[in-house]
Amino acid sequence: RKEVEQDPGPFNVPEGATVAFNCTYSNSASQSFFWYRQDCRKEPKLLMSVYSSGNEDGRFTAQLNRASQYISLLIRDSKLSDSATYLCVVDPNYGQNFVFGPGTRLSVLP
Amino acid sequence: GAVVSQHPSWVICKSGTSVKIECRSLDFQATTMFWYRQFPKQSLMLMATSNEGSKATYEQGVEKDKFLINHASLTLSTLTVTSAHPEDSSFYICSARSLLAGDEQYFGPGTRLTVT
Repeated sequence: RKEVEQDPGPFNVPEGATVAFNCTYSNSASQSFFWYRQDCRKEPKLLMSVYSSGNEDGRFTAQLNRASQYISLLIRDSKLSDSATYLCVVDPNYGQNFVFGPGTRLSVLP
Repeated sequence: GAVVSQHPSWVICKSGTSVKIECRSLDFQATTMFWYRQFPKQSLMLMATSNEGSKATYEQGVEKDKFLINHASLTLSTLTVTSAHPEDSSFYICSARSLLAGDEQYFGPGTRLTVT
């Protein structure tokens, strides 16, 4: 089993749609969790950290379920500019190493 | 936010030559730098972790004699791909972590290496 798994995608959604990404991780001792977005041929950029209580940043909501070892990202009112690959990232040891999921590609269509 | 630069942004070299990639943290001191490799349509794979002034820790399957990493200062790490071959063609991305910045890693813009 891979350390971090994500929905295979791609997701093709119309503008304004709500889309949810799912991620599971295998290391129950993992400490920190993040969502990054990566545009084609660019470096990953931090979208948001994921906290145990869940957190929201504008149109983006992240949830963490430690018992199920599951992380989610919800994007509301999707924009064309949201088109990217979304990477679930798990840090098992306080910044010593990041483990990246394979990513889920999102295309928001006009 | 913290800024990390990489140089060069892209490079084409002939098989058998060596290529050096620089990673710099521009506005913070990076106690740890990471080197990743990303093949097309795949996710980032960690190659090695380097701490300033000490030897890099390589991930399983990554040849330390082929991918030489030097972290000579708190703002600079270099990756040298020695005797490059076409299969080494990839997108190489570094990231840096500062103790002052918590658990986040700040990524450089990446270096696209093509070996002909």
